Amino acid sequence: EDQVTQSPEALRLQEGESSSLNCSYTVSGLRGLFWYRQDPGKGPEFLFTLYSAGEEKEKERLKATLTKKESFLHITAPKPEDSATYLCAVRTGGATNKLIFGTGTLLAVQP
Amino acid sequence: ETGVTQSPTHLIKTRGQQVTLRCSSQSGHNTVSWYQQALGQGPQFIFQYYREEENGRGNFPPRFSGLQFPNYSSELNVNALELDDSALYLCASSSDRVGEQYFGPGTRLTVT
Repeated sequence: EDQVTQSPEALRLQEGESSSLNCSYTVSGLRGLFWYRQDPGKGPEFLFTLYSAGEEKEKERLKATLTKKESFLHITAPKPEDSATYLCAVRTGGATNKLIFGTGTLLAVQP
Repeated sequence: ETGVTQSPTHLIKTRGQQVTLRCSSQSGHNTVSWYQQALGQGPQFIFQYYREEENGRGNFPPRFSGLQFPNYSSELNVNALELDDSALYLCASSSDRVGEQYFGPGTRLTVT
């Protein structure tokens, strides 16, 4: 069964303290790995798509990387406004856009 | 460019009732997917509509149904509401059946 696991469940950082979030996946055939940011009570906001092992993408303080078994979201020198839940999702192929999500990592950045 | 919009924002229903949620896709997008997100969980795929036809379904019972209209907006209908249907319902649109998905703000449904 296709599965996505995110760790840690929650992470508390001081402003400027860099860290990484992990997303490990077990799927029959990866057709894309997606990172989203979700603020409380809001819809997920698209961040990155990664398609193949070795691929990296960056946006401001965020950098996403992909291997054959997992993805990392690196946060460099975070600010309080980076506080949110970060969701990882995979698409496993076929003619649908079904995404399988992990349960997310709740990030809190303290000033 | 207009993003994905959903209505209503919040809704309270009684067990056994029926509900209709609405979604307007982002400009230029022809595919809409619906997800259910329980508190503290990741979104779960309900179904997808592409060019007015259902194009994939998750593990949800038939009382969850939908429609897509010629302008690519969509409705999610849930019959015989149960307490466990309480959740945030998210709509996402994409430019094709396998494109990147952009989510709306969601509809918070509470079933009492």
